[in-house]
Amino acid sequence: GAVVSQHPSRVICKSGTSVKIECRSLDFQATTMFWYRQFPKQSLMLMATSNEGSKATYEQGVEKDKFLINHASLTLSTLTVTSAHPEDSSFYICSASGTGGYTFGSGTRLTVV
Amino acid sequence: GENVEQHPSTLSVQEGDSAVIKCTYSDSASNYFPWYKQELGKRPQLIIDIRSNVGEKKDQRIAVTLNKTAKHFSLHITETQPEDSAVYFCAASLGSSNTGKLIFGQGTTLQVKP
Repeated sequence: GAVVSQHPSRVICKSGTSVKIECRSLDFQATTMFWYRQFPKQSLMLMATSNEGSKATYEQGVEKDKFLINHASLTLSTLTVTSAHPEDSSFYICSASGTGGYTFGSGTRLTVV
Repeated sequence: GENVEQHPSTLSVQEGDSAVIKCTYSDSASNYFPWYKQELGKRPQLIIDIRSNVGEKKDQRIAVTLNKTAKHFSLHITETQPEDSAVYFCAASLGSSNTGKLIFGQGTTLQVKP
């Protein structure tokens, strides 16, 4: 079946630094990638939608200059958390949509110290 | 935009009993409704889904019903087992071929007591 590889699975960074999270579709072309954030004991909140070769569409309240999304190819989308702060600590997860439906990455646990 | 409400937030049942989780959605154009099971720190796992042209779907102990008029759908788990304990999320999506934005409900923590 369809597989989305997400890296890293866990990352700890210092406040003020940037972190890049990658999602790769391994055996299919992901035209659209969705990025979610999930705080402890809460739901998955959609942050943005990215389509290959075009600018991402951000949900209301999500800072596009802080959460940079790049979807340069049909198999790779990246989320960069810039100038990270402790309140950005969360579980970030991508989801690729294709003919087979939605395929989720394994998630990235970001801790900002 | 689409909004999905899920109830209850927690549900505790005895092993062997049934569990029902309900969701309502706001956008009448939504046409795809998946249910996910998520274990702590893991990705959501699709357990069953239903499209807007179907009223009910069943897969062994799991069933989903959809009422388009009322804009609500429900997950039914029968003969619950301790391994069914997890957080369950409903979701709703616009668009064809399951490619629209997927909006999640708030989640239900199900505890099945042995």
